Amino acid sequence: NAGVMQNPRHLVRRRGQEARLRCSPMKGHSHVYWYRQLPEEGLKFMVYLQKENIIDESGMPKERFSAEFPKEGPSILRIQQVVRGDSAAYFCASLTSGSRTEAFFGQGTRLTVV
Amino acid sequence: QKEVEQDPGPLSVPEGAIVSLNCTYSNSAFQYFMWYRQYSRKGPELLMYTYSSGNKEDGRFTAQVDKSSKYISLFIRDSQPSDSATYLCAMSGNDMRFGAGTRLTVKP
Repeated sequence: NAGVMQNPRHLVRRRGQEARLRCSPMKGHSHVYWYRQLPEEGLKFMVYLQKENIIDESGMPKERFSAEFPKEGPSILRIQQVVRGDSAAYFCASLTSGSRTEAFFGQGTRLTVV
Repeated sequence: QKEVEQDPGPLSVPEGAIVSLNCTYSNSAFQYFMWYRQYSRKGPELLMYTYSSGNKEDGRFTAQVDKSSKYISLFIRDSQPSDSATYLCAMSGNDMRFGAGTRLTVKP
């Protein structure tokens, strides 16, 4: 049973470009969280998704950021017109609909904006 | 006020020491309380979880929850260099929130 898969592991973008981060949850998991981790800082909640539904996006910046979790395929975190401050590690975690305790994390995507 | 507060450290202790890590929270809706461990450049992994107030022990690790004070702790006995990592508290009710994480170094 494959774990949570995130790709790419490393992503370099120039300022103004778009970044697309993908997360394939564990088999059978229908809920996905996205978190951002800045260097030397903890995990900051961004968005909580169920398939075809955004449950909580209170942690998402109002502009340039969007997330989706389609019925088929991975969850996508999209950052438009990236700026240097977007450089961070982005982690996704998946869990089953009934779970309140164990979120399985991917290895993260490290975004560097140059 | 942040929903979950955790001292980021860093915390450095000698091998064999007892380590105490703590978090406070403000949201009374949180029902489950977890501790995750994150090694450098890896995703966090669940270490322990508790549901109610009280203590839960697993080997050298003890998780403690005081709902009345909105305070949770993780104790590590006989700490080892392999325990060196970032420890994040997490809490869930309708969704999950994490603390900032405390970076722990256990020196041989």
